[in-house]
Amino acid sequence: GQNIDQPTEMTATEGAIVQINCTYQTSGFNGLFWYQQHAGEAPTFLSYNVLDGLEEKGRFSSFLSRSKGYSYLLLKELQMKDSASYLCAVKNDYKLSFGAGTTVTVRA
Amino acid sequence: EPEVTQTPSHQVTQMGQEVILRCVPISNHLYFYWYRQILGQKVEFLVSFYNNEISEKSEIFDDQFSVERPDGSNFTLKIRSTKLEDSAMYFCASKGEATNEKLFFGSGTQLSVL
Repeated sequence: GQNIDQPTEMTATEGAIVQINCTYQTSGFNGLFWYQQHAGEAPTFLSYNVLDGLEEKGRFSSFLSRSKGYSYLLLKELQMKDSASYLCAVKNDYKLSFGAGTTVTVRA
Repeated sequence: EPEVTQTPSHQVTQMGQEVILRCVPISNHLYFYWYRQILGQKVEFLVSFYNNEISEKSEIFDDQFSVERPDGSNFTLKIRSTKLEDSAMYFCASKGEATNEKLFFGSGTQLSVL
């Protein structure tokens, strides 16, 4: 089965840094994805990790530890437009399974 | 950037009616998926499809659901007899051949069953 846990909500100030943690227990692992989803819209791809370590992509970075079943997404220099839900998703051979998402609210 | 296209954007139907949700995946993609998201809940996997057959399906994807790739471009989800609890946003997604490729999602069809 799939068990993917992430915090429900986080709030941060514009310009700050926020770290969203994700822990997972899944049958099969072919990589971990982070997606962003604004209300009423489709998920959009942010980052992908398949090996341990940090992947940096502009203001967003993602980290993976396969032995610990742990990942985080780091959002730097927060902007108001970053207010959204951030979805941790684990891929096995045939599907991508999503966590419930973390709603990030950025305050001025 | 290439897009996955879904139609209609909104569908309202009566309980017990059949609905067909349509998707045009990205043209050179080989893997196709349907997900649903009930309002306020997580994105749930329904089914994956490759080489003209279902690769995996969830327990949600019961006998009332079916998928088809009727031609070289469309990928459809049919719900035979809709129930109130089928009301949700349905997302189609597609992916290229490489294992590490991301899924591209369509903008969704909001299904309301009355």
